[in-house]
Amino acid sequence: TQLLEQSPQFLSIQEGENLTVYCNSSSVFSSLQWYRQEPGEGPVLLVTVVTGGEVKKLKRLTFQFGDARKDSSLHITAAQPGDTGLYLCAGRGASGSRLTFGEGTQLTVNP
Amino acid sequence: DTGVSQDPRHKITKRGQNVTFRCDPISEHNRLYWYRQTLGQGPEFLTYFQNEAQLEKSRLLSDRFSAERPKGSFSTLEIQRTEQGDSAMYLCASSSRGTGYNEQFFGPGTRLTVL
Repeated sequence: TQLLEQSPQFLSIQEGENLTVYCNSSSVFSSLQWYRQEPGEGPVLLVTVVTGGEVKKLKRLTFQFGDARKDSSLHITAAQPGDTGLYLCAGRGASGSRLTFGEGTQLTVNP
Repeated sequence: DTGVSQDPRHKITKRGQNVTFRCDPISEHNRLYWYRQTLGQGPEFLTYFQNEAQLEKSRLLSDRFSAERPKGSFSTLEIQRTEQGDSAMYLCASSSRGTGYNEQFFGPGTRLTVL
């Protein structure tokens, strides 16, 4: 069974601070996705990383896929209140189609 | 809007009743997935279809659960004899071969409450 562990589980910071969320596994994934979810809504896809060592930037968000494709990180620069939400990482195994999700990181950015 | 849609958005039912949810995927996405999410957890995979064929089912999908995608377009998820433990958000997602099926796009979910 593939498992993804996210840390931290909760994060409360002030506007303008930087933060990093981690997603770790002992399993290799063929691709890894990051989603953001608002209360009562479905997850919204932010990025997909496929290649080991890959780095993708989306405005103030930087995503990195580990060289061994077992872990990933999400770094947010100068966080804003609009970044508040549940951030989920999800990995797709090589032999299947299902996504395995982490438990999520609940981010609160205070003005 | 051409995203994934789900109906209803909310469902309250009494224990023992049957419920059915519908999902309409993004047009031309031939894979459709069902997930379940409980409070404070990430979504958990239930099942997926490629066109009309159901290719994989999780052990979470007990015999009270059944999913169909009869024409390879919309899908339905039925829960028979609901239990309080079935209370959760039921999410549908779809993907296409164009992205190597790596990118799954989710609908808004159906929130089920079993009293």
